[in-house]
Amino acid sequence: GQQVMQIPQYQHVQEGEDFTTYCNSSTTLSNIQWYKQRPGGHPVFLIQLVKSGEVKKQKRLTFQFGEAKKNSSLHITATQTTDVGTYFCAGPVIGGNEKLTFGTGTRLTIIP
Amino acid sequence: NAGVMQNPRHLVRRRGQEARLRCSPMKGHSHVYWYRQLPEEGLKFMVYLQKENIIDESGMPKERFSAEFPKEGPSILRIQQVVRGDSAAYFCASSPYLAGNTGELFFGEGSRLTVL
Repeated sequence: GQQVMQIPQYQHVQEGEDFTTYCNSSTTLSNIQWYKQRPGGHPVFLIQLVKSGEVKKQKRLTFQFGEAKKNSSLHITATQTTDVGTYFCAGPVIGGNEKLTFGTGTRLTIIP
Repeated sequence: NAGVMQNPRHLVRRRGQEARLRCSPMKGHSHVYWYRQLPEEGLKFMVYLQKENIIDESGMPKERFSAEFPKEGPSILRIQQVVRGDSAAYFCASSPYLAGNTGELFFGEGSRLTVL
């Protein structure tokens, strides 16, 4: 079955440092979505990328979808304490039934 | 606009009892997903439903677990004869499913099941 892995599993950064999480799927995806889950909270949608090689920016967050549509990355510039949480990628298999499989997640903690 | 509503938010059951979790999707959303999350872990897909139809239940254990999304009323995830390993947060999400694209999922706040 489809597997979606993320690295690193955990990341501790000093406030103001940059952060990157990488997402790799075992199968080609029709699109990639990113979600953020704060501690004790529920996942909240951040963005969706559809096109091969697509790059999107949201303020300090940069999202990229790989050329082969099997990998993606999320980069946060100059982290702030509000960035704390777990970041998940998710995607449906191309040609599949649109079931969204979530990645293993990267938990970001910020050292003030 | 009300978001995805899940209830109960917290549920305590003894081993062998039944747990029934409810999810009302956002208005106008026709598709519902259920995910399970163990503490400190990721979101494990369980089942994907459309009204009166199960689209994909490949993530749901074949025994003790069932899900439905009737024409009227909320989606129900039912766990019979609960065991301690069923203790987890169960998240429901809904989507509008426009033009063959799932689009973003809107998550409820989750139902946290504790089995004693």
